Amino acid sequence: QKEVEQDPGPLSVPEGAIVSLNCTYSNSAFQYFMWYRQYSRKGPELLMYTYSSGNKEDGRFTAQVDKSSKYISLFIRDSQPSDSATYLCAMRGGNTGFQKLVFGTGTRLLVSP
Amino acid sequence: KAGVTQTPRYLIKTRGQQVTLSCSPISGHRSVSWYQQTPGQGLQFLFEYFSETQRNKGNFPGRFSGRQFSNSRSEMNVSTLELGDSALYLCASSLVRDRGTDTQYFGPGTRLTVL
Repeated sequence: QKEVEQDPGPLSVPEGAIVSLNCTYSNSAFQYFMWYRQYSRKGPELLMYTYSSGNKEDGRFTAQVDKSSKYISLFIRDSQPSDSATYLCAMRGGNTGFQKLVFGTGTRLLVSP
Repeated sequence: KAGVTQTPRYLIKTRGQQVTLSCSPISGHRSVSWYQQTPGQGLQFLFEYFSETQRNKGNFPGRFSGRQFSNSRSEMNVSTLELGDSALYLCASSLVRDRGTDTQYFGPGTRLTVL
């Protein structure tokens, strides 16, 4: 079983829809949670960064972390065709040492006009 | 400020050859991590360098190696290439390794094809 599980999709939605992307994880030591967006033939770019449980909002994007359920989500409101990309969740452990970043396999999102 | 740069962007090699990939981090960033991305496995951590020392290593064979120079630039080398090494190799840099709060910024990657 992988440490981080993510549905590969593709997830197809019409423009303007609310999108929900999710990841589950098994390692309770993870404390830092990130969402990256990757366009075709590009490197991932950081979208959202959260520490521990809770919500964080940035424009049309909201990240949620539920450590008790080991579940994280990214919501995209008023989705646009330009949001079409692969979304990767990533997480890392605690405060000491050099903790590697563990990625989900990514969910491909397609937003149609 | 310039982002992470990787060279070359594309490479075609044959089995048995070796390859060296280069990464220049964002100015001031001291940590460089390398990842392999394939459609089946996603992004897998290779290794991380900080202050010219390897600080963490993923589960890859010894054919994969790397180093970091005093200016924080990094190279990774893959020897005796196999078909399964075909992938996008991504480099990420971060400012400081401090309590996990630093974030990683990725380069565009090097697309390696092994024939």
